[in-house]
Amino acid sequence: DTAVSQTPKYLVTQMGNDKSIKCEQNLGHDTMYWYKQDSKKFLKIMFSYNNKELIINETVPNRFSPKSPDKAHLNLHINSLELGDSAVYFCASSQELEVRKETQYFGPGTRLLVL
Amino acid sequence: GQNIDQPTEMTATEGAIVQINCTYQTSGFNGLFWYQQHAGEAPTFLSYNVLDGLEEKGRFSSFLSRSKGYSYLLLKELQMKDSASYLCAVASGGSYIPTFGRGTSLIVHP
Repeated sequence: DTAVSQTPKYLVTQMGNDKSIKCEQNLGHDTMYWYKQDSKKFLKIMFSYNNKELIINETVPNRFSPKSPDKAHLNLHINSLELGDSAVYFCASSQELEVRKETQYFGPGTRLLVL
Repeated sequence: GQNIDQPTEMTATEGAIVQINCTYQTSGFNGLFWYQQHAGEAPTFLSYNVLDGLEEKGRFSSFLSRSKGYSYLLLKELQMKDSASYLCAVASGGSYIPTFGRGTSLIVHP
């Protein structure tokens, strides 16, 4: 069974469109995250979220919004897509917001290409 | 915030030992992580250090010196499958969420 899953795996779309990426974890974890990995392989935190707190990286444009229907899901909605949004987006989860020694488990990634 | 520095690329021979260094500048250190990421795949957790010293786990070991802002990942008995990017990440300040460095691409050749 996949611990953290994401759909779609690949997403090709036009500038200006709105798209969503879905993430689900079956680990019973309380906290989920979204990361963006650019073409230079730099992995940057975008959001962390549990049922109590949403922490937003202040550099993330407000076109990006996380939506959590329940504890096992954290979807990423992107409005008005731009060329610079092309990247690989990774979802991750951990048992607690304080990662400490508790590792984060990453999903397989969604490769977004904006044309 | 953090300033995390690691070499961009390293090469090594199968069966050899390689050391990947990571230096960081931060305030309120909460731990250092190493992740492995194969091309086209997700990062996977390798190690976590919060106290000074060496942590050994099979062929991989990770070292931390908090006073020097320095860590290394040591890979022994290299195998071809160890070719991957190795990401150093640091949690600091009021957050326990790691901030990642740019990663070191390791190429293992026969």
